[in-house]
Amino acid sequence: DTGVSQDPRHKITKRGQNVTFRCDPISEHNRLYWYRQTLGQGPEFLTYFQNEAQLEKSRLLSDRFSAERPKGSFSTLEIQRTEQGDSAMYLCASSKPGQGQETQYFGPGTRLLVL
Amino acid sequence: AQRVTQPEKLLSVFKGAPVELKCNYSYSGSPELFWYVQYSRQRLQLLLRHISRESIKGFTADLNKGETSFHLKKPFAQEEDSAMYYCALRGGSGNTGKLIFGQGTTLQVKP
Repeated sequence: DTGVSQDPRHKITKRGQNVTFRCDPISEHNRLYWYRQTLGQGPEFLTYFQNEAQLEKSRLLSDRFSAERPKGSFSTLEIQRTEQGDSAMYLCASSKPGQGQETQYFGPGTRLLVL
Repeated sequence: AQRVTQPEKLLSVFKGAPVELKCNYSYSGSPELFWYVQYSRQRLQLLLRHISRESIKGFTADLNKGETSFHLKKPFAQEEDSAMYYCALRGGSGNTGKLIFGQGTTLQVKP
């Protein structure tokens, strides 16, 4: 297993276009998280899945953002009608809680630039 | 409000010097604190967690609930320690495991 993977690694789009990112977690990891990181800041939580259920969404996640994890494996994050303020690194992490300890393993991220 | 503060954006030291990266938190409960590290062109990875009370790559961090701090320390810095370091808090209600990150501190170890 090569760890959490994300696709694409880079995306340039024009304002108003829709974009979709994919995250493949580590096998058997039932938790999946999406974070957003802007320049000079730490990652900020966007949303979280346990298996296929989306259990929490941040107030950062406007109605233009939607995330799915249809079969409890890979996840997609879609941004509709992109705005320049959406430009950021989008990080995915997965984990398998157990024995009171949970380690989130991060993917390489998808860097989005909205022109 | 749950918050993590890393007051220094950049910490520059010479090889062999002691290092302390500061982290303060705000949380109304029993926090779980972590340090994550990101080396150049690599993904974010866990360095250590306060529960484990372990030393990783010579780094240690002690949770001080009175001062609400979780500073990362290393007695003798090495050039390979140069990286971005993030302090993180596991917060939220219920079973959510979301992490709240600080802004990060760039550690630069000069030869």
